[in-house]
Formats: sequence, structure tokens, C-alpha cells
Amino acid sequence: QQQVKQSPQSLIVQKGGISIINCAYENTAFDYFPWYQQFPGKGPALLIAIRPDVSEKKEGRFTISFNKSAKQFSLHIMDSQPGDSATYFCAAGPFGNEKLTFGTGTRLTIIP
Amino acid sequence: GAVVSQHPSWVICKSGTSVKIECRSLDFQATTMFWYRQFPKQSLMLMATSNEGSKATYEQGVEKDKFLINHASLTLSTLTVTSAHPEDSSFYICSAKTGTYNKETQYFGPGTRLLVL
Repeated sequence: QQQVKQSPQSLIVQKGGISIINCAYENTAFDYFPWYQQFPGKGPALLIAIRPDVSEKKEGRFTISFNKSAKQFSLHIMDSQPGDSATYFCAAGPFGNEKLTFGTGTRLTIIP
Repeated sequence: GAVVSQHPSWVICKSGTSVKIECRSLDFQATTMFWYRQFPKQSLMLMATSNEGSKATYEQGVEKDKFLINHASLTLSTLTVTSAHPEDSSFYICSAKTGTYNKETQYFGPGTRLLVL
């Protein structure tokens, strides 16, 4: 089965710190790797995404690091803020962004 | 841009009744929409892929006769949970795909919470 393994399950970070969430995939056909942010009772919102042609992508305080040989990718949230407290899902999909496979989610809590 | 809406946002129904959930892409046309199911504190599980004008493709283990999907236009897909039972209670989320070739992105709706009594 095509899986995307996500860790940690939960994460507590102090305000201003760096939050790091990791994901690993198995299917080498995957070539689209988005991260979604979900608040309670809401649908996921696309945060940032990367394709395998680059090893890193940065948008504001959010950075994706991608290691193709290890089949791993991670989300880094710099200067974490209380408003970043949410559940984060990584996902992976094949060419054309069809049928995303989601990780199990990480509940992030930013404390003052 | 790229806003996806769902209606209703929550619904409570009696066991045995059918419930219809609408998913609309408000400012773009979506040839492909996806339906997901999410249990509390769990990940999103893809139920089916819906293409405009054709039959939906269901994931393994999803009963197509129970979860009827209709993608009648480029901006509307519906999911009907037929003869709902308490175990169907869940958070149902749709997404719509948009973008140019090789730069497509899925945008998610806000979800519909279904409670079957």
C-alpha cells in the first residue's frame, strides 16, 4: 500500500521557535508534495508544496526541505506563532496531482 | 481565488435516511473533484475521484451504491450518503483540482459534518 508516514504525532514549540515536521514516502512515482494546515472543524488549506526538481522551497516563514534519495520531506516553520497552532498534514501524489495520499497528521501547539 | 464551498456545513439525520452534500468551485472550473472522509483526529481518506460528465472512480473498500457521486457540471459535485447509519457519521471534505498542466493544485472545501442518529 502506498503510505506516507508522518512524525511526530504531536509537537509543542515555544513562540519564536522552529517547528519541524517530517514525512517519508514509499512510492517513487510520487512527484508532488504539498503540506496542508487544518484548523478544528475546517477543511485543509494548502500551505506550501514542492516538486522533486528542487531540494528546498521557502515561502515566508514556511520552508519545505526535500530529500529525493531518502524519500523524505519536511516542513519547517520559522518564528512559530500561536496562530500556527493547528494540525498539519503532508501529502504526496503522482504526476498531475491526482489522488493525494495523506500523512497521519501532526497536531502543533505553540505556547507563549 | 480558488474557493471551494460545501453545503451544508453540518447535518444531523435519522438512521435510514439519505443525505446529499454539495461541493462547488466558486471562482474556477474543476474537471476533477475529490471526496474525502475524515474521522476525529485522523487523516483524510480518499473516497472517490469525480470527473465531470463521467462516472466516479471509487477507492477500494468504498461502496459506490452507498456513496453516490454526481459531477453534473464543471463547478458542482454532489455526494449522497444513502440509507445512512451511525457508522457513516464523519467529516466529509471535497476538493477541486485547478491549474495549468503540471501545475495543478487541489483546493479543499470547509467540510461537512454528518451525524447519523
